[in-house]
Amino acid sequence: DAKTTQPPSMDCAEGRAANLPCNHSTISGNEYVYWYRQIHSQGPQYIIHGLKNNETNEMASLIITEDRKSSTLILPHATLRDTAVYYCIVRLTLYNQFYFGTGTSLTVIP
Amino acid sequence: GAVVSQHPSRVICKSGTSVKIECRSLDFQATTMFWYRQFPKQSLMLMATSNEGSKATYEQGVEKDKFLINHASLTLSTLTVTSAHPEDSSFYICSADRGRGETQYFGPGTRLLVL
Repeated sequence: DAKTTQPPSMDCAEGRAANLPCNHSTISGNEYVYWYRQIHSQGPQYIIHGLKNNETNEMASLIITEDRKSSTLILPHATLRDTAVYYCIVRLTLYNQFYFGTGTSLTVIP
Repeated sequence: GAVVSQHPSRVICKSGTSVKIECRSLDFQATTMFWYRQFPKQSLMLMATSNEGSKATYEQGVEKDKFLINHASLTLSTLTVTSAHPEDSSFYICSADRGRGETQYFGPGTRLLVL
């Protein structure tokens, strides 16, 4: 079962930072937070993941609160191609399964 | 990066026939592959976990005799929808990972339409 809560939809102006929140209040100490996105009619695309430290890669930054009960995915300069459904998933390292929640539909507006 | 392919990308079949969908990891060996189903405007639902050389593990509510999974090698898993009916029409997506702690890499999906 999905263990995350995300807002169903968000808008962001093109060129601005998109900040997508995720609540995972029941996360345990050995569970990672993963972010994927799905553009319409395609398979999900990996974005980033982390355990407790903030992470950054070429696509995004992941900010995890100190208590690990929530996180924020940051797309620093959103483009129209970032319009997609963004999924936040928690996953136990010893098990492989991903259980997707409902995600956030991000629309980047010109 | 890791690439996962699916074949076919879309298929239309008649009710009562069986359809096989292939999932391949192209540039890595996948110890585990997963099959998901996604209905329009809904999230992905995990159907089963497939390990090479062993029987698949199905999620609760997924009929193992209807959705046959074979994971014959470290780069290929197949999903066969047997005796397909219109309610089986959906977007089927596979994913693969290289082992514990690795992220999953998803295929592009297969759209199945049963008439």
